[in-house]
Amino acid sequence: EAQVTQNPRYLITVTGKKLTVTCSQNMNHEYMSWYRQDPGLGLRQIYYSMNVEVTDKGDVPEGYKVSRKEKRNFPLILESPSPNQTSLYFCASSLSGGLAGLETQYFGPGTRLLVL
Amino acid sequence: GENVEQHPSTLSVQEGDSAVIKCTYSDSASNYFPWYKQELGKRPQLIIDIRSNVGEKKDQRIAVTLNKTAKHFSLHITETQPEDSAVYFCAAIGGGYQKVTFGTGTKLQVIP
Repeated sequence: EAQVTQNPRYLITVTGKKLTVTCSQNMNHEYMSWYRQDPGLGLRQIYYSMNVEVTDKGDVPEGYKVSRKEKRNFPLILESPSPNQTSLYFCASSLSGGLAGLETQYFGPGTRLLVL
Repeated sequence: GENVEQHPSTLSVQEGDSAVIKCTYSDSASNYFPWYKQELGKRPQLIIDIRSNVGEKKDQRIAVTLNKTAKHFSLHITETQPEDSAVYFCAAIGGGYQKVTFGTGTKLQVIP
């Protein structure tokens, strides 16, 4: 089954404790992206990746890191989480970063993060 | 960068009536405009999209219109049903970038 998976689905942590949210897709997609969703602000892009070893900042990259060592995986790293990073995070993938490839973004189930 | 504004933030309609959600964008180079539906507790899912070289697109009860000159696009849902109740997001993409900019969402409630 074609899918995007994220782990963990729920996470409670404390300020400053490094964490990683994993994202994996099994569709051989080139383009992957991370979003955060906050009430009243919609979905905001954090980072995206056009392909292996190619990443770029979205609109809200501060406080986050990503890596793309393999095509299927795109982990989101919070080196020193802060309470303002409490949010719902979605990973997504699409066939490519070209316009046609972006036409269908497949979203993961989401990761709800609480930073105390 | 791109800025997408979406209105209204909430919308209540009677079952069977039509619903219209509007978005405006700032970057004239944007050339692809998808709409996503997000049901409570679930992930966003694409419901319809439009490219900049098309003025209107329909899919059963859903349609999207695009006015490139005015830089706005709209989602139209006709004969609304309770299962249409959800949050709807518009987005703008393109202009040589691979960034995706979403609107802030519209919570649609269809009253039976």
